[in-house]
Amino acid sequence: DSGVTQTPKHLITATGQRVTLRCSPRSGDLSVYWYQQSLDQGLQFLIQYYNGEERAKGNILERFSAQQFPDLHSELNLSSLELGDSALYFCASSAGVLNTGELFFGEGSRLTVL
Amino acid sequence: AQSVAQPEDQVNVAEGNPLTVKCTYSVSGNPYLFWYVQYPNRGLQFLLKYITGDNLVKGSYGFEAEFNKSQTSFHLKKPSALVSDSALYFCAVRPSGSARQLTFGSGTQLTVLP
Repeated sequence: DSGVTQTPKHLITATGQRVTLRCSPRSGDLSVYWYQQSLDQGLQFLIQYYNGEERAKGNILERFSAQQFPDLHSELNLSSLELGDSALYFCASSAGVLNTGELFFGEGSRLTVL
Repeated sequence: AQSVAQPEDQVNVAEGNPLTVKCTYSVSGNPYLFWYVQYPNRGLQFLLKYITGDNLVKGSYGFEAEFNKSQTSFHLKKPSALVSDSALYFCAVRPSGSARQLTFGSGTQLTVLP
């Protein structure tokens, strides 16, 4: 158990809809990262938050947004969903902002867009 | 730009035999290198990392990896494979001293045959 909790584990929705994925980092970790894993794109970094502030942005679509709350949990919002957004979305956490790479991953939220 | 190549999508090895999962990288400056493992329906788990120092790094579950700067490689090895080692393995890189995020390879599916 990594200590990172993600909900929901599975989500099925329709095109055009909006969903919110939730992540609770390991106790004491201030950084939260979101990754998307799909068969054709592999594991892609989306965005990082550190102690409530956005720190780094990767290949995140404009239809997607995220935030980190004062209690350090994070939410990834996906809107105007398309079939291609179907993927496994991982949250990871680490203690610092300039991490040495040891990320702790949750078990992911599997999104299916029909 | 940083990149990671895992040239083999699939590696099969017999139980008890040594295993190698290959990784080459491209990064500006000195690299931080990592291996993660993903079991079915689970998040990624950290295995080992190279930051600096000894080129041979030992990690969890008997795995080790050798950093070779001249060949820009960081191959994962284990002297004697177990059936339970069967999983998806990811190599990742980040430039040292940078806030840039981890870049993951495409993954190698390791199957250890009984």
